[in-house]
Amino acid sequence: DIVMTQSPDSLAVSLGERATINCKSSQTLLYDSNNKNYLAWYQQRPGQPPKLLISWASTRESGVPDRFSGSGSGTDFTLTISGLQAEDVAVYFCQQYYNTPYNFGQGTKLEI
Amino acid sequence: EVQLVQSGAEVKKPGESLKISCQVSVPTFTSTWLGWVRQRPGHGLEWMGIIYPDDSNTIYSPSFQGQVTISVDKSLFTAYLQWTSLRASDSATYYCATLGPHAGGPLYFYYMDVWAKGTTVTVSS
Repeated sequence: DIVMTQSPDSLAVSLGERATINCKSSQTLLYDSNNKNYLAWYQQRPGQPPKLLISWASTRESGVPDRFSGSGSGTDFTLTISGLQAEDVAVYFCQQYYNTPYNFGQGTKLEI
Repeated sequence: EVQLVQSGAEVKKPGESLKISCQVSVPTFTSTWLGWVRQRPGHGLEWMGIIYPDDSNTIYSPSFQGQVTISVDKSLFTAYLQWTSLRASDSATYYCATLGPHAGGPLYFYYMDVWAKGTTVTVSS
């Protein structure tokens, strides 16, 4: 199984500042034939189900604010939230969908 | 608009059986993979398995293989997750979700793009 490891486990960022969350996979998520990274990011606000933010490592879902951006390739990925807002308080998870089981990272708790 | 509606919270005793449901309103139901995710209190997300409604092809995580059964009823547009003998460690919130891309067919199943609100299962003597 592919193991996903996020860092840090938690972080506190001031309103308006930038938050950076890292995700590392135990093997490459880059599929050579299409040059796509099989990685997604989710946001889970307190008491709510997860919400898909980004797929293919950097493609934002419709309706997701552009302050959310994903980057990285291969085994190392980053979710960046620029201009943090109060509504961004949540736990963020990365997930690989390169091989089943499509494991998630352990989550990163973002606080203000 | 795609919507997933799960059955209500359950309180069970160890050893009891349980089947929870997820009704899906998506135009491409039979050709869109559906999946289940477990979240235990204070823990992260665990990918349990997925099913393709058209032919009920199912892929389980090794961690859940043999522990649960995922099924689907095409006529009711509903997916199910069931246990034959619950344990206290099964206490969790269970989410169902569709896998993108919708109508991707049997070969394409990737990220979980639309989620239901979850079903909380409590197993206690």
